[in-house]
Amino acid sequence: QSVLTQPPSVSAAPGQKVTISCSGSSSNIGSKYVSWYQQVPGTAPKLLIYDNEKRPSGIPDRFSGSKSGTSATLGITGLQTGDEADYYCGTWDTSLSGSVFGGGTKLTVL
Amino acid sequence: QVTLKESGPVLVKPTETLTLTCTVSGFSLSNPRMGVSWIRQPPGKALEWVAHLFLEGQKSYSTSLKTRLTISQDTSKSQVVLTMTNMDPVDTATYYCARTSTTYYMDVWGKGTTVTVSS
Repeated sequence: QSVLTQPPSVSAAPGQKVTISCSGSSSNIGSKYVSWYQQVPGTAPKLLIYDNEKRPSGIPDRFSGSKSGTSATLGITGLQTGDEADYYCGTWDTSLSGSVFGGGTKLTVL
Repeated sequence: QVTLKESGPVLVKPTETLTLTCTVSGFSLSNPRMGVSWIRQPPGKALEWVAHLFLEGQKSYSTSLKTRLTISQDTSKSQVVLTMTNMDPVDTATYYCARTSTTYYMDVWGKGTTVTVSS
């Protein structure tokens, strides 16, 4: 059972938009920055979003992040087949004094 | 260019101690704004944070693994070492190290090393 809750799967057609939610509590998302990672099966995770909404160099603006209260959302527009991957949210939990991740969401581009 | 590379045994026996090394390049372990985390991923499962180190005096461990873990660094070798005692088959996973910021995002990851625990 992950500290952060994500939907197990989402799907959408190429060109469409999808959002992935990440729900936590006041001891993690509610008080700390959120980051998002993309993991293509068989490869290492890749940072997509950091500090709630910032994109590292090289990440297209099709990817966006937002946070409200104890939840965060990853948005992906203009879906491409190459976006098929598992997506994880992460943050710090002050009660656990450790980093935590969501259970991951599998994105299928139909 | 920042890189991290994990190394260690592929196979360990139950009750043995696992020692993994993360060798970094392109940044300094003396930088107070960046540290190194270990994260693991059992086959087909989610990411699980294990531990991190920001300079020698700032270490944190997963609550569930705390009693079995030690993280340390050798700045001269640009290495961060994780030891995990009393290995069990449930510890079978791919272990990643990642550069970590002071706001706890992990911006550069190693390719990972797969560890199997079996007799």
